[in-house]
Parts: sequence; structure tokens; C-alpha cells
Amino acid sequence: KQEVTQIPAALSVPEGENLVLNCSFTDSAIYNLQWFRQDPGKGLTSLLLIQSSQREQTSGRLNASLDKSSGRSTLYIAASQPGDSATYLCAVHDDYKLSFGAGTTVTVRA
Amino acid sequence: DTAVSQTPKYLVTQMGNDKSIKCEQNLGHDTMYWYKQDSKKFLKIMFSYNNKELIINETVPNRFSPKSPDKAHLNLHINSLELGDSAVYFCASSQVSGSTYGYTFGSGTRLTVV
Repeated sequence: KQEVTQIPAALSVPEGENLVLNCSFTDSAIYNLQWFRQDPGKGLTSLLLIQSSQREQTSGRLNASLDKSSGRSTLYIAASQPGDSATYLCAVHDDYKLSFGAGTTVTVRA
Repeated sequence: DTAVSQTPKYLVTQMGNDKSIKCEQNLGHDTMYWYKQDSKKFLKIMFSYNNKELIINETVPNRFSPKSPDKAHLNLHINSLELGDSAVYFCASSQVSGSTYGYTFGSGTRLTVV
């Protein structure tokens, strides 16, 4: 059974700092990995999708890496802004489902 | 245009009632899902449907019955609601299960059982 762990559970940084969010998973036989953002009381917004054959994906200030053999992914957010405050969820694609981590709640202080 | 839409957004009901949540996607995806987010914000798969066929039923009580009339719709009916059913329920879809295109989620239905 796939288990996904996200560290840290919460993170508070001053504006402008770079953010590093970690995700690990137990079964490396995944199709791909997806990072989501969830604002309080809202739905999930897809940030980045990394296919199992890829090592990283970039979108603007966001960069996600994937090391499938070691079961790890890292989401980097450069030059954080208060608008980046949210919960970030890592999810791995198994057969016919996503397995989620518990999330990292980020607070960026102005 | 909303890609994955759920109705209602909020649902408050008494214990013992029966209620339904509807989900529709206009992305042409062939796989749809229901996820439950509990009070600790953890998201867990409930059901997965591929081309209207049930693929995953993740140890969900029989009181929960999904129905997929076509590839674009996946509804969730809940009988005899219990306090523990209070949660946010998310519908999602993907092009192909485990595909290279990722999952798209609806905005969620917040169910409160009193």
C-alpha cells in the first residue's frame, strides 16, 4: 500500500525567502506525481505534474523534482510572497487513484 | 467554463437522512473519482470509475453508493447519514487512470450532519 509523507507539516517564513517542501513515497512504481495547492475552505489547484520518466518540472517561481528510485519529490518556491500562503499537497498516481500526503501548511509573513 | 463541477457546495442535514451529491466534468475524461477530506484535512480515495465501470471501492460503507450514468457524470448517494460522514467530498477526473495529464478536482461539497 502506497504511503505518502510530507515534511514539514507546517512552515512559516518571511516574505522573499525560498521555500523547500519535501514529499516521500514508499512504492516507487508510480505513473507520475502531482503537486497541488489548497487554500482554506477551497478546492485543489494543480501546480505541477511530473511524469515518472521526468526528473523535474518548472512553472514560473515553482520547480518540482522527482527521484523515483529513492521515492522522493521536492517542491521549491522561489522568492516567496504572502499570496503563497496555503497548504501544499503532494500526490502520487497509482492504478486508478491518487495517494495524498497530509500536506505542508505554508505561511509567508509580510 | 468549470471543468469539474459539484453540486451542492454546502449541505447541512440531520442524522438518518439520505442525500446526493452530483458531479459533472466537461473535459472529456474517461475516469472519475470521489475523494473524502476529513477534519484533519487528509484526502482519501473513496471510489474510482473508468468508462462508467466501478474500478475502486476503497472500503467505503455500503451506505455510500456511487452512480455513473455516463462518462461525464459521477453522482454520490449517501443513505442513513451519520455524524461521522461530516467532511468535504471532492469529485475529480482524469484522462486515463494514472495518465500523463494529471487530475482535475472540483471545488468540493462540505457536508455537515447534525
